[in-house]
Amino acid sequence: NAGVMQNPRHLVRRRGQEARLRCSPMKGHSHVYWYRQLPEEGLKFMVYLQKENIIDESGMPKERFSAEFPKEGPSILRIQQVVRGDSAAYFCASSPGGTYAYEQYFGPGTRLTVT
Amino acid sequence: GENVEQHPSTLSVQEGDSAVIKCTYSDSASNYFPWYKQELGKGPQLIIDIRSNVGEKKDQRIAVTLNKTAKHFSLHITETQPEDSAVYFCAATENSGYALNFGKGTSLLVTP
Repeated sequence: NAGVMQNPRHLVRRRGQEARLRCSPMKGHSHVYWYRQLPEEGLKFMVYLQKENIIDESGMPKERFSAEFPKEGPSILRIQQVVRGDSAAYFCASSPGGTYAYEQYFGPGTRLTVT
Repeated sequence: GENVEQHPSTLSVQEGDSAVIKCTYSDSASNYFPWYKQELGKGPQLIIDIRSNVGEKKDQRIAVTLNKTAKHFSLHITETQPEDSAVYFCAATENSGYALNFGKGTSLLVTP
């Protein structure tokens, strides 16, 4: 009964490179959320996706960031041309939808370091 | 967007004592209020939640209360144990959707 899985757990990128973060939701969950956590801060909502659809991207920066949740495979958060300010922990959460749509279960996170 | 304020930022209690963490929110449309526990290097773990049509919910040593009129909700941990030491986050849904707006966290230390 695996929980939410994220990989890689740690990612180091140089400024200007691309970062790809992957998230596999819990079995039976069809809703995925991405959040960013800066040191000593709470989590900030970025984007909410269902299979093949972006439902709410109000927290996504307008440039360089994109997310997808294809019909097959994990959800991907992509950051192009990374800058030092992108260094943070990125968490994915999933929920089952329906009556329990509000309940979000988090993965262990990907810690991105931009050098 | 909605603002969620959380207090205190740090809390130290002796083992066996109770701990209370308080949050306020500003969006009247918020209808779901979860609490998460985050240990160092790990993802947040959902420990209890409450919906807007309920005033109180309890699960063993953990309870949450909600006052919709005053727009505040609280986490109560009784008979604290050292393993309760972690950072606790409150959250509230925003804009009638499912996205969560988090407080800045409370670092709880339970000393033996």
